[in-house]
Amino acid sequence: GQQLNQSPQSMFIQEGEDVSMNCTSSSIFNTWLWYKQEPGEGPVLLIALYKAGELTSNGRLTAQFGITRKDSFLNISASIPSDVGIYFCAGPTNTGNQFYFGTGTSLTVIP
Amino acid sequence: NAGVTQTPKFQVLKTGQSMTLQCAQDMNHEYMSWYRQDPGMGLRLIHYSVGAGITDQGEVPNGYNVSRSTTEDFPLRLLSAAPSQTSVYFCASSYLGQGQTQYFGPGTRLLVL
Repeated sequence: GQQLNQSPQSMFIQEGEDVSMNCTSSSIFNTWLWYKQEPGEGPVLLIALYKAGELTSNGRLTAQFGITRKDSFLNISASIPSDVGIYFCAGPTNTGNQFYFGTGTSLTVIP
Repeated sequence: NAGVTQTPKFQVLKTGQSMTLQCAQDMNHEYMSWYRQDPGMGLRLIHYSVGAGITDQGEVPNGYNVSRSTTEDFPLRLLSAAPSQTSVYFCASSYLGQGQTQYFGPGTRLLVL
């Protein structure tokens, strides 16, 4: 199956710092999705990207659809303790019926 | 509106036992899916369904069966549990063609001894 690699695997940052993480694939995706999973919960969609080069924001979160369509980036500005969780990228197959998820980036925010 | 519900929340099984993980949604979503989540591997699709009576395999279907007799319910059956099936299982649903806005359930944590 598809392999979506996320980096870094984990991050420990001070409250107020900005965060950057990325996701790369060996295959092209036409849609990139970013999810957040909090402890004991299922993933929740943060941002969806539909066009190469697209830059989309959701509050303090900004995500970009890479020009090559093989990567995507997520930035969080001015982190706060409630940003703690695991962030996943994901992309659908051409039929849109199957989704591949990345390996996740675990974020810890130190107050 | 309960969203996506899963039962049980936790389960311990012995190798060889069978069990059914329940998933239900009350949003009239056509698309439903099952994922397993293992450390360092993200979520992997087990089976999915695009409507009542229609199911298909995902990335890791071996050892699991599904059925979709109603729009609301999508149970996942483990026929003969193995330690390799120890994982956290998530059910998700969405309107057909809008899988990017899947709603996930809270998960079932399964330990197979």
